[in-house]
Amino acid sequence: AQSVTQLDSQVPVFEEAPVELRCNYSSSVSVYLFWYVQYPNQGLQLLLKYLSGSTLVKGINGFEAEFNKSQTSFHLRKPSVHISDTAEYFCAVSDDSNYQLIWGAGTKLIIKP
Amino acid sequence: NAGVTQTPKFQVLKTGQSMTLQCAQDMNHNSMYWYRQDPGMGLRLIYYSASEGTTDKGEVPNGYNVSRLNKREFSLRLESAAPSQTSVYFCASNFGQQNQPQHFGDGTRLSIL
Repeated sequence: AQSVTQLDSQVPVFEEAPVELRCNYSSSVSVYLFWYVQYPNQGLQLLLKYLSGSTLVKGINGFEAEFNKSQTSFHLRKPSVHISDTAEYFCAVSDDSNYQLIWGAGTKLIIKP
Repeated sequence: NAGVTQTPKFQVLKTGQSMTLQCAQDMNHNSMYWYRQDPGMGLRLIYYSASEGTTDKGEVPNGYNVSRLNKREFSLRLESAAPSQTSVYFCASNFGQQNQPQHFGDGTRLSIL
């Protein structure tokens, strides 16, 4: 069965500093990867997705992620964070067998002023 | 532009009571999903409906039932609520293909006393 590991439960970072949120997945034949963001007391919304093609994927709010097949990783990055980026971020992979999303446990991004 | 609508937003129940969580989507999506979200555990799939007229168990179906009322609506029922079912419940939908992201409602925050 596929799995997704988000290595950090919390990532504190100063405002305007760069950030990387890590995500590793178990290998599979076809890989579709997603990052979602959940702002406090809200539902999840799609940040970006990797389906095929370029391994560098750009999303909303200045975020980007890089698909690395050899390392089975899909890390999320932003060059300069803002206080409004305070949220929980979830990585997910689409399961080959039943098209369900397999979710990581989430990483809370904490922005320090 | 409603997307996925969940009702109610908040609910407090006593142990043993029953209730139904409602979900409706207006995007003509084929597939609908119910998740629960607990701290540090990401999202866990309770039940899903790949298409109108079908429902299947997810990772944590015990204590729940679902009904796919029509293409738009997918309800989740707790027949006899237990404190372990205290959680935030999310409904999601998509067209059902493996490369399709899911769209989420804002959640129902349920407390069982």
